[in-house]
Amino acid sequence: GAGVSQSPRYKVAKRGQDVALRCDPISGHVSLFWYQQALGQGPEFLTYFQNEAQLDKSGLPSDRFFAERPEGSVSTLKIQRTQQEDSAVYLCASSLVFEPPPTQYFGPGTRLLVL
Amino acid sequence: AQSVTQLDSQVPVFEEAPVELRCNYSSSVSVYLFWYVQYPNQGLQLLLKYLSGSTLVKGINGFEAEFNKSQTSFHLRKPSVHISDTAEYFCAVSTSYGKLTFGQGTILTVHP
Repeated sequence: GAGVSQSPRYKVAKRGQDVALRCDPISGHVSLFWYQQALGQGPEFLTYFQNEAQLDKSGLPSDRFFAERPEGSVSTLKIQRTQQEDSAVYLCASSLVFEPPPTQYFGPGTRLLVL
Repeated sequence: AQSVTQLDSQVPVFEEAPVELRCNYSSSVSVYLFWYVQYPNQGLQLLLKYLSGSTLVKGINGFEAEFNKSQTSFHLRKPSVHISDTAEYFCAVSTSYGKLTFGQGTILTVHP
């Protein structure tokens, strides 16, 4: 079956531009996570949704970062007024909730480069 | 708070040799541990996980890991590696709802 998909796969932005990154989770997966992976580092948690509810946004680095999942399926991570330090791979993952903890299935990521 | 330390940033090894990738964790709550593999330009793929029960966990591609509570470790092993095992490996600890805290990663390079 189809896995987690993300678009675009690559994004180049000029400093100060707004960007929007999309995640399509596996159909039926209730939980959705966003992670940020800087070059040479492990992924770091950004935010977590259960259906349309954003239950944990403790990892968002600043108020320039905003995530939504209005209908409980597709999610968008928006970064306003991008800075060079935002350059990273943004990973999305989805999971069921029936087994604690659930196994997360990751998308291929969106590689963001801010010039 | 949870944290993970991967003790080796790079591990070179010859094909068909055994390998161990080391991981230590810190967690104040129940421990759920994972190993993921990341091939170039691909997403993370689950290798194996420890939730409870037997401390020796077997995963895909011939990998296994042993949970050691007293040493707070979860080292990954494979008795004989292949060229295709060249990738970056991440150890992670999870909360009960799935939030993962990752280590810095270990790049495994298998030489012919």
